[in-house]
Amino acid sequence: QSALTQPASVSGSPGQSITISCTGTSSDVGGYNYVSWYQQHPGKAPKLMIYDVSKRPSGVSNRFSGSKSGNTASLTISGLQAEDEADYYCSSYTSSSTWVFGGGTKLTVL
Amino acid sequence: QVQLVQSGAEVKKPGSSVKVSCKASGGTFSSYAISWVRQAPGQGLEWMGGIIPIFGTANYAQKFQGRVTITADESTSTAYMELSSLRSEDTAVYYCARRGGKRGGGGYYYYYYMDVWGKGTTVTVSS
Repeated sequence: QSALTQPASVSGSPGQSITISCTGTSSDVGGYNYVSWYQQHPGKAPKLMIYDVSKRPSGVSNRFSGSKSGNTASLTISGLQAEDEADYYCSSYTSSSTWVFGGGTKLTVL
Repeated sequence: QVQLVQSGAEVKKPGSSVKVSCKASGGTFSSYAISWVRQAPGQGLEWMGGIIPIFGTANYAQKFQGRVTITADESTSTAYMELSSLRSEDTAVYYCARRGGKRGGGGYYYYYYMDVWGKGTTVTVSS
């Protein structure tokens, strides 16, 4: 199972919006509505930000949103804040009953 | 709320094995699944496998088949991940993570996301 494809890095200024893409195949992202997104700050454990493509866990800011079209999922962060600077990973359930992660995207808030 | 407490850092020789534990507290261990995810230095997250403790059945990423064993002990609410034939490339932080679930449709449904994570266990493989 190959890793999902994410851009290595994205950046934006405070207050702006950014979108991180996550491309897989019909055997993972495209085949199931089970894409999740995780935020990871340096030296910390990942934190769930979005699940089931577009749902937000309790306590996660509504500035975070998710969507999917075909084999590509996206995470959008609006109203960028300094604390959003982190690594972001997408993950998908697969047809092999396993999970696969993306390679990760480093978000820099300028 | 559920917390996952992992065992401490390990230093291992190439060719040996390591067993990492993940103890759950604050919830009902039998009502969720546990996944293991690792992260090599400066690298991304990698799913290794998972287990549903109430069933005791584990499944693994193809990459780790034959080298990893995931088990769970309901009596102590603890999951374990054992990785054998260690090599330097196995140097990483190993995380356990929970997949919750709920009753529905006459059965029990496990979620497809990891909502609670342990703090990680650093495993260093070096001669």
